Amino acid sequence: QVQLQESGPGLVKPSETLFLTCTVSGGSVTGDSYFWTWIRQPPGKGLEWIGNFYYVGTTWYKPSLKSRLTISVDTSRKSFSLRLSSVTAADTAVYYCVRYVRYSDRIETWGQGILVTVSS
Amino acid sequence: QSALTQPPSASGSPGHSVTISCTGTSSDVGGYNLVSWYQQHPGKAPKLLIYDVSERPSGVPDRFSGSKSGNTASLTVSGLQAEDEADYYCGSYAGDNTFVFGSGTKVTVL
Repeated sequence: QVQLQESGPGLVKPSETLFLTCTVSGGSVTGDSYFWTWIRQPPGKGLEWIGNFYYVGTTWYKPSLKSRLTISVDTSRKSFSLRLSSVTAADTAVYYCVRYVRYSDRIETWGQGILVTVSS
Repeated sequence: QSALTQPPSASGSPGHSVTISCTGTSSDVGGYNLVSWYQQHPGKAPKLLIYDVSERPSGVPDRFSGSKSGNTASLTVSGLQAEDEADYYCGSYAGDNTFVFGSGTKVTVL
């Protein structure tokens, strides 16, 4: 059974770049049935879809984040990453990596989440 | 791409039912039968309850049911139990391989 685990710094300074990695256990970032996706949740607020990565290299991003966001996979296909540039306090959130099932568009596997705070 | 609209809160007594609405547009909820619902307890990752409007993953009790009419989807929790007290989020396919969540509803079991 696939498990996901986020890792990265818990504190990032304003204007810098946030970089998170999601390690995939029990599987790999392949298969045409899935997207590999990032979702975030600001403290006390709702869930926000950030973007999808498809194993052939295609990505889809939330329009308001598109200019700052990159989702990619490492060469081993055992992890995928999120890179968000020029961060501000508004980017403070719990970031979840998830496996998104295509065709029924459901999110069935979640990482435990990692809190990233943007502050000087 | 705006968040789907959910009531901020809902409540019900144990054993009773509560229904949560999720209103979108013809570009998301109304355009596809691809609405899902998630339950989130404090400090935990969300859990999938319903997908494809009304389908339940294995292991989810049949007390949870989903439906849709036009641009509004609904989640009904029947036979409320104390452990159902949580935040609930709807989500929908929004075209072009994008996804949108609802604003979230806090359910209180009285």
